[in-house]
Amino acid sequence: EAQVTQNPRYLITVTGKKLTVTCSQNMNHEYMSWYRQDPGLGLRQIYYSMNVEVTDKGDVPEGYKVSRKEKRNFPLILESPSPNQTSLYFCASSQQANGELFFGEGSRLTVL
Amino acid sequence: AQKVTQAQTEISVVEKEDVTLDCVYETRDTTYYLFWYKQPPSGELVFLIRRNSFDEQNEISGRYSWNFQKSTSSFNFTITASQVVDSAVYFCALRDVWTDKLIFGTGTRLQVFP
Repeated sequence: EAQVTQNPRYLITVTGKKLTVTCSQNMNHEYMSWYRQDPGLGLRQIYYSMNVEVTDKGDVPEGYKVSRKEKRNFPLILESPSPNQTSLYFCASSQQANGELFFGEGSRLTVL
Repeated sequence: AQKVTQAQTEISVVEKEDVTLDCVYETRDTTYYLFWYKQPPSGELVFLIRRNSFDEQNEISGRYSWNFQKSTSSFNFTITASQVVDSAVYFCALRDVWTDKLIFGTGTRLQVFP
């Protein structure tokens, strides 16, 4: 089954404790990206990747890092999480930059 | 600036009513893509439609239809004979072919009551 898989789905952590949200897709898609969803703000892009070893900032990259060492994986790293990073995070992929985006099920992160 | 505006924050209708969700976009480019996504209460994002800027034909898929008008920079979504299962948050989005960013509107929450 074609899918984008995120882990963990739910996480409660404390300020400053590094965490990684993994994202993996099995569709051989070149394009992957991360979004965060906040009430009243819709979805905002954090980072995106056009292909392996190619990443670029989205609209809200501060406090986040990403890497794309393999085509299928695109982890989101929060080096020192803060409460304003409490949000619902979505990973997405598509075959090409303008194609339909396939989204993961979301990861709800709470930073205390 | 690239921007998507969904002015309707929340809409409530009774089952079987028709409802239109508005989407207005801003872009400096002649080539772009527009999308609609549905987010049901379970939280996942479901793709509904993609339309490129050169295709202004209206689209119909079952009870769903989309009206794309470049003259007014709008890409409105109509649900005919709404059902309770249509209750969700609907997002309109714009994809810039040069920056590859997908810019979402803030969403419209649709509640369909039986």
